[in-house]
Amino acid sequence: GENVEQHPSTLSVQEGDSAVIKCTYSDSASNYFPWYKQELGKGPQLIIDIRSNVGEKKDQRIAVTLNKTAKHFSLHITETQPEDSAVYFCAAAGTYKYIFGTGTRLKVLA
Amino acid sequence: ETGVTQTPRHLVMGMTNKKSLKCEQHLGHNAMYWYKQSAKKPLELMFVYSLEERVENNSVPSRFSPECPNSSHLFLHLHTLQPEDSALYLCASSQGQLAGSDNEQFFGPGTRLTVL
Repeated sequence: GENVEQHPSTLSVQEGDSAVIKCTYSDSASNYFPWYKQELGKGPQLIIDIRSNVGEKKDQRIAVTLNKTAKHFSLHITETQPEDSAVYFCAAAGTYKYIFGTGTRLKVLA
Repeated sequence: ETGVTQTPRHLVMGMTNKKSLKCEQHLGHNAMYWYKQSAKKPLELMFVYSLEERVENNSVPSRFSPECPNSSHLFLHLHTLQPEDSALYLCASSQGQLAGSDNEQFFGPGTRLTVL
């Protein structure tokens, strides 16, 4: 069936370093790729997204890249701060349905 | 706050109990969703309602029964659950049903359910 693989499952970085989280999807009909941040006790919140007709999108310290041929997309966080510590989820969506990754727990060490 | 509230935030129930989870959105959205979030597993879509009509039932056992009385409220009625149903249940809403940045899903904080 359709699935999204997400790696790594946990990631620890020093404050100020960069963090990269990678996802691979299986459904070639997917054309929308959002990333969510989930803090403790809260629901997931959209932080950045990309459509299949774009290869890269940037918003301040976060960026997403998409390789549609390889069915890979990645989240890049630069100059990490302690408040970036959270669980991050990727998703791939076709017309209606979202398929989520298993999440990456990011710890930014001060 | 995201504009989506869920009650209760925590619920402990026995396998023979009947309980209900409530979700309310204050965003004027037309689509509402129930997701199940279990440890080390992807978010699982359970139900989708669009304009108060159920448009998706993702092979969910009948012990979970959704109800959408109007576009602002969504319930999940629980009956004779199993311990493996213990999870975080998330409600979300979006303007429309199509996936995309103009139909961003806004999630509530979830209800942490424990089935004994």
